Amino acid sequence: NAGVTQTPKFQVLKTGQSMTLQCAQDMNHEYMSWYRQDPGMGLRLIHYSVGAGITDQGEVPNGYNVSRSTTEDFPLRLLSAAPSQTSVYFCASSVRQGHQPQHFGDGTRLSIL
Amino acid sequence: SQQGEEDPQALSIQEGENATMNCSYKTSINNLQWYRQNSGRGLVHLILIRSNEREKHSGRLRVTLDTSKKSSSLLITASRAADTASYFCATDVRGSQGNLIFGKGTKLSVKP
Repeated sequence: NAGVTQTPKFQVLKTGQSMTLQCAQDMNHEYMSWYRQDPGMGLRLIHYSVGAGITDQGEVPNGYNVSRSTTEDFPLRLLSAAPSQTSVYFCASSVRQGHQPQHFGDGTRLSIL
Repeated sequence: SQQGEEDPQALSIQEGENATMNCSYKTSINNLQWYRQNSGRGLVHLILIRSNEREKHSGRLRVTLDTSKKSSSLLITASRAADTASYFCATDVRGSQGNLIFGKGTKLSVKP
């Protein structure tokens, strides 16, 4: 099992560009989530999904879109990149929402110039 | 909203010593989880302790939970250089639909 796979690992964008961060898991987990990690801030929840076709906003959703058309994939879209979105992005999954450990990918390091 | 706060922010010890990290939180929880993050990698789950549990062990790790004080501690015994990493507590807050809220982490450095 590959676990949670994130692509790309690194990306540099210009302000205003859009892009999609990919996340895939092969554990048949219902729950998937996206976090951003900034220096000194810990991880903050952007969006999450409790199953295919169901998504909801986390703590910091502005500027990001998600969709969940399959159990395996949960892409994160930056609509119009801003320097404030420079961060490390982590995708995570768990068997179901709540009372479960989460499995994390290795992150995407994103710089917005 | 920062629910969990780890203390200390950084800790430097020698190999063989014990390392203790603390986490305080603000509101009632379903469970509290500890994660490790090696430099440049994703988080790895270490231990989940439920609100009705007081202590849990896993190998060299010991986690305690005091819900009356809203605090938890992670003890790593006989530390190794490979334990060098950042450690985060995350709370599954009651009423939060199971989403985790992470603290800012403790950076542990174990010197050989």
